Amino acid sequence: DVKVTQSSRYLVKRTGEKVFLECVQDMDHENMFWYRQDPGLGLRLIYFSYDVKMKEKGDIPEGYSVSREKKERFSLILESASTNQTSMYLCAGRQGNNSPLHFGNGTRLTVT
Amino acid sequence: RKEVEQDPGPFNVPEGATVAFNCTYSNSASQSFFWYRQDCRKEPKLLMSVYSSGNEDGRFTAQLNRASQYISLLIRDSKLSDSATYLCVVQNYGQNFVFGPGTRLSVLP
Repeated sequence: DVKVTQSSRYLVKRTGEKVFLECVQDMDHENMFWYRQDPGLGLRLIYFSYDVKMKEKGDIPEGYSVSREKKERFSLILESASTNQTSMYLCAGRQGNNSPLHFGNGTRLTVT
Repeated sequence: RKEVEQDPGPFNVPEGATVAFNCTYSNSASQSFFWYRQDCRKEPKLLMSVYSSGNEDGRFTAQLNRASQYISLLIRDSKLSDSATYLCVVQNYGQNFVFGPGTRLSVLP
C-alpha cells in the first residue's frame, strides 16, 4: 500500500497569509491528489498530479496552487488564505490505474 | 441528480445485526468502484474494492450491478467498532474519482 504523510494535523493561519500544506508518499508512484472536505459538500478535488512538474486542475482550484518538484512530494499552496478556505485538507496517493486512493491523515486548517 | 448517491442515514442498528447500504451512480462508463470508511474527524480509509463478480472480506460483502448502476455493501454481525461513515467512490475516466456523500452507521450496544 501507498503510505501518505501530511506534515501537519492542525494549522491556524490568519487571513492573507501564504500557507503551505505538505504531503509525502513513500512509494515511487506518479499520481497524487489534494482534496478538501466540508460538511454537506463531501470531498472535492482541488488539484492532482500524475508526474513530476505535472499538475491538473480539479473541480475547485481557485485560490490554490500546487508544486510537484519531486515525485514523492506534492505541496498545496494557499497564496492568500481566506476564511472560506477553512476546511479539512486531504492528500492522497495512488499506485496505478484502476487502483484505489490512499489518504494521508488530513490537515485541519482554520483561517481566522 | 448527483453523480453518486447514497442514503445519508443514520442507520442505527444493534450489535450483531446485518446492515446493507446501497449506492447508485449515474455514469455508465464508470470503471472502478470502492467502499471507504471514515471515522469522525479522520481520513477516509479503504474498506474494499468492488468487483463485478462480487467480493467478500470477512464480515463485509460488496456487490456491483452494472446494469442497474448500483453498488452495495453488506455488513454481517455488526460490531460497535463498525460505527463510522461509509463512502461509496466511483472512478470514471483517468483520475476522476467521484465520492458519494456517505452513509452514517451507528452500532448500538
